[in-house]
Amino acid sequence: DVVLTQTPPTLSATIGQSVSISCRSSQSLLHSNGNTYLHWLLQRPGQSPQLLIYLVSRLESGVPNRFSGSGSGTDFTLKISGVEAEDLGVYYCVQGTHAPFTFGSGTKLEIK
Amino acid sequence: EVQLVESGGGLVQPGRSMKLSCAASGFTFSNYGMAWVRQAPTKGLEWVATISYDGSSTYYRDSVKGRFTISRDNAKSTLYLQMNSLRSEDTATYYCTRGNCYWGQGVMVTVSS
Repeated sequence: DVVLTQTPPTLSATIGQSVSISCRSSQSLLHSNGNTYLHWLLQRPGQSPQLLIYLVSRLESGVPNRFSGSGSGTDFTLKISGVEAEDLGVYYCVQGTHAPFTFGSGTKLEIK
Repeated sequence: EVQLVESGGGLVQPGRSMKLSCAASGFTFSNYGMAWVRQAPTKGLEWVATISYDGSSTYYRDSVKGRFTISRDNAKSTLYLQMNSLRSEDTATYYCTRGNCYWGQGVMVTVSS
């Protein structure tokens, strides 16, 4: 199975600070159809996961544009440009290129 | 609006069975593969099983193979997870998901005597 390594495991940020989360894959996530099925989820406390970014860099409808995704192949990054209080929670990367789909171990974002 | 609503969880003794359901609405259910993902208390997300759009193909993580069965009723827009021979390590919140893009609210399954 594909292993996704997320760093850092925890992140402490002040309101307005910009932060980045890394997700590295044990193999390329470029599918033979040309798509890269790497997505980012946010799980707020007590809630189910919600989609933030899909296909590496596409912003899900309704998600603030302070979130952005980048990367290719095996290295991917989620950036939050100006953290807000509502951004606290656990961020997961997930890949759907190779079956079975797998998740990163999560990055917990705390607000100072 | 896409909605996924799980039901059927609760407390069950080790070795017993339980069936989860996920009622889907807001999209053409029969066009999409679906999956179950679980999350043990304070742990991360873990894929459990996937079913193709028409039910002809199913996939399971090794630890549930032979014990869990994923199925669907496209006429009812409902996804199922039949869980047999439950173990304490199956204790988790179970989510149904469509392509990791849409998630239900989850249902808690506690396996304990």
